[in-house]
Amino acid sequence: EAGVAQSPRYKIIEKRQSVAFWCNPISGHATLYWYQQILGQGPKLLIQFQNNGVVDDSQLPKDRFSAERLKGVDSTLKIQPAKLEDSAVYLCASSLAGTGANVLTFGAGSRLTVL
Amino acid sequence: SQKIEQNSEALNIQEGKTATLTCNYTNYSPAYLQWYRQDPGRGPVFLLLIRENEKEKRKERLKVTFDTTLKQSLFHITASQPADSATYLCALTYQTGANNLFFGTGTRLTVIP
Repeated sequence: EAGVAQSPRYKIIEKRQSVAFWCNPISGHATLYWYQQILGQGPKLLIQFQNNGVVDDSQLPKDRFSAERLKGVDSTLKIQPAKLEDSAVYLCASSLAGTGANVLTFGAGSRLTVL
Repeated sequence: SQKIEQNSEALNIQEGKTATLTCNYTNYSPAYLQWYRQDPGRGPVFLLLIRENEKEKRKERLKVTFDTTLKQSLFHITASQPADSATYLCALTYQTGANNLFFGTGTRLTVIP
């Protein structure tokens, strides 16, 4: 079974520039998550999709972050304009269902450095 | 607000010994508690899940306990090996039916040969 695919693996931009990350979840997984992991911290949920609908985006900084999951499969996360504090690893994860004892499968992450 | 604390940032143990990692939470108890392993440059990988009505779960050399009175989970790796060196994250889901996973900050385990 193929895992969760993410790209790019690394991105370096200057503050106020924009960046987009792409995620392809495991086939058949209805739920997709974007997490932000700052160095030395645990992952923090940004947004959760169930198929192509948003379930939870309460911790997404909506003034600069946006995410979409068209057709309920792939997803993109965009940051515009980026700030220094956005430097982090952006992890995409997917799971079979959106309820109950949910086990997440993570991608390798996209490491963003904002200069 | 709910806090999830893992005992220490780093833990060093000798090969062959049992590693014990702690996850403490405040306020209300989660419906599920999970442990993940994260290697440098990689995403977390699921290890074990325990439900609020379970006391203990085992998988090979791994054991998880869950004490809702103490608001604590312990994660044990017996007969530790250098290959067990990684960061271990606990993650909580608070409501049955919901599945938002909230992670602790992790404990970096180093097993010394």
